[in-house]
Amino acid sequence: IAGITQAPTSQILAAGRRMTLRCTQDMRHNAMYWYRQDLGLGLRLIHYSNTAGTTGKGEVPDGYSVSRANTDDFPLTLASAVPSQTSVYFCASSDTGTSGGDTQYFGPGTRLTVL
Amino acid sequence: GQNIDQPTEMTATEGAIVQINCTYQTSGFNGLFWYQQHAGEAPTFLSYNVLDGLEEKGRFSSFLSRSKGYSYLLLKELQMKDSASYLCAVSDSDYKLSFGAGTTVTVRA
Repeated sequence: IAGITQAPTSQILAAGRRMTLRCTQDMRHNAMYWYRQDLGLGLRLIHYSNTAGTTGKGEVPDGYSVSRANTDDFPLTLASAVPSQTSVYFCASSDTGTSGGDTQYFGPGTRLTVL
Repeated sequence: GQNIDQPTEMTATEGAIVQINCTYQTSGFNGLFWYQQHAGEAPTFLSYNVLDGLEEKGRFSSFLSRSKGYSYLLLKELQMKDSASYLCAVSDSDYKLSFGAGTTVTVRA
């Protein structure tokens, strides 16, 4: 059982380019999340999905879009990358997304540099 | 908005005890999580508290006081492998996690 996988592991991208970060989980979790982690700021929620077919905005959604066509996959797209989107991106999943004790499990992360 | 505060760094000696404090002011409260994150790796779950009091799991314990908006993570019998960042996160009214910036713990021999 892999848990959560993310691709690519790292990427250097020219500003203005489009980029999709991939996330797949095999735990049949209903809820999935995208965070970015920046030094001194901690993890910040970009977008989430409580179930396939639905998505919601987190704390820092601008410049990012997501889709949730099925339970397993939750891609994050940067339509036109800017240097301020340089960060480490973590995908996570949890069983329901609607319970206080719902533990989130994280993927290994994607390190993105926008030049 | 959410406000979660924890110290930036702590240093302790192998075999010692370290207490990482976390204070929070959030819109709604559905529990508090502690995660461990080694450098260059993903956060991993350590503990969850929703009721006041102490939860013990081996060398790690977590305490919560909801009336004070306060939690701590206690690491006992420190080992070199405990050198990591420890993240405090609060589940808010929508069951979404808000994270503190993390506390980097360095264990010295």
